[in-house]
Amino acid sequence: DQQVKQNSPSLSVQEGRISILNCDYTNSMFDYFLWYKKYPAEGPTFLISISSIKDKNEDGRFTVFLNKSAKHLSLHIVPSQPGDSAVYFCAASALGQGGSEKLVFGKGTKLTVNP
Amino acid sequence: DAEITQSPRHKITETGRQVTLACHQTWNHNNMFWYRQDLGHGLRLIHYSYGVHDTNKGEVSDGYSVSRSNTEDLPLTLESAASSQTSVYFCASSGDRTETQYFGPGTRLLVL
Repeated sequence: DQQVKQNSPSLSVQEGRISILNCDYTNSMFDYFLWYKKYPAEGPTFLISISSIKDKNEDGRFTVFLNKSAKHLSLHIVPSQPGDSAVYFCAASALGQGGSEKLVFGKGTKLTVNP
Repeated sequence: DAEITQSPRHKITETGRQVTLACHQTWNHNNMFWYRQDLGHGLRLIHYSYGVHDTNKGEVSDGYSVSRSNTEDLPLTLESAASSQTSVYFCASSGDRTETQYFGPGTRLLVL
């Protein structure tokens, strides 16, 4: 039973355009969401996060949107750059449940930004 | 600079052997985690620890064990390696419940 779903295994966009990566979750107890980026042969690196009390968080070219009623979040990258080509993982945790720091990850979306 | 390291980076072993993967962090983080990454499954939690002498089972803990004797280290042991445990293993750590997890570079394990 997948609690965090990334239904698009891959996404290809042109340099300079917007990349939109999507993530859906089923556990209504999740209240903290993160995006990680992973290059081949490296560990995942933290990109951006959002708490359930917000619906948007921005950091430079990266914006995460949260729609709690739809249990959906998305990561927007504008403008996309070739260096953004990586696998992006969506993750969620239920901090409100006794302080659990466990993360549940989606399967990842491989983003390719073409020059 | 503080960091998190894993060793070895690559390991080949035979079915039935005991294998230990090391994870060491210098951030003095209380929380440490082990994940495995497999094609089609993303990252799955194996074991985790919230402090010294604390260990907990994750989603895919069968066949694995951990022990936490100090803050810096959380070694992962495969008691009797199986081919199904061929995977890439990542260790991660975090300071408190409001901090994100920082990942090590990974260990690629092949069980023949």
